[in-house]
Amino acid sequence: NAGVTQTPKFRVLKTGQSMTLLCAQDMNHEYMYWYRQDPGMGLRLIHYSVGEGTTAKGEVPDGYNVSRLKKQNFLLGLESAAPSQTSVYFCASSYYEGTYEQYFGPGTRLTVT
Amino acid sequence: AQSVSQHNHHVILSEAASLELGCNYSYGGTVNLFWYVQYPGQHLQLLLKYFSGDPLVKGIKGFEAEFIKSKFSFNLRKPSVQWSDTAEYFCAVNAFSGNTPLVFGKGTRLSVIA
Repeated sequence: NAGVTQTPKFRVLKTGQSMTLLCAQDMNHEYMYWYRQDPGMGLRLIHYSVGEGTTAKGEVPDGYNVSRLKKQNFLLGLESAAPSQTSVYFCASSYYEGTYEQYFGPGTRLTVT
Repeated sequence: AQSVSQHNHHVILSEAASLELGCNYSYGGTVNLFWYVQYPGQHLQLLLKYFSGDPLVKGIKGFEAEFIKSKFSFNLRKPSVQWSDTAEYFCAVNAFSGNTPLVFGKGTRLSVIA
């Protein structure tokens, strides 16, 4: 039982390049989330999904797109990377909202030069 | 909209000192409250949570938190910290009912020195 895994762990992009971050969970969770963590800013929700085939915007969605084609995977895309997107990205999943705990992945450190 | 305030950005304590980290939230309805911990270089892990019942909640590693509804607070405490408690601590809240995502505070960095 791997829990929540993220690929890749590190990445360096040039401004304007695109990339996709992959999140996978093996706990049969309905909900999945993408956060970014920046110093002094805590975790900010980018997008989330309440089930296969559904996505919703979070607090800071601009410049990102997501897809949830399979229940176990949640993809985060950057179409045209900007230096402001330099951050650590965490994926999380939970059974449902409310009282259910979120399980976090190990994070992806992205640098955009 | 919900928001979470963590008053202390960085707390430095000696080993065996007592810890209290403040967390206040703004939301008019019933809430679920969480404390997560992030050890250096690791992902977030749940320390404890409150959703109903006894307002004093006990979590892992000797941590506890008290929900005071009248003060909109959910402060984290530990009687005696250890060097291994060095980490960043995040308070989070969501609405008790309905499908609303967690809102996190900005975090408090705890450094425990020997």
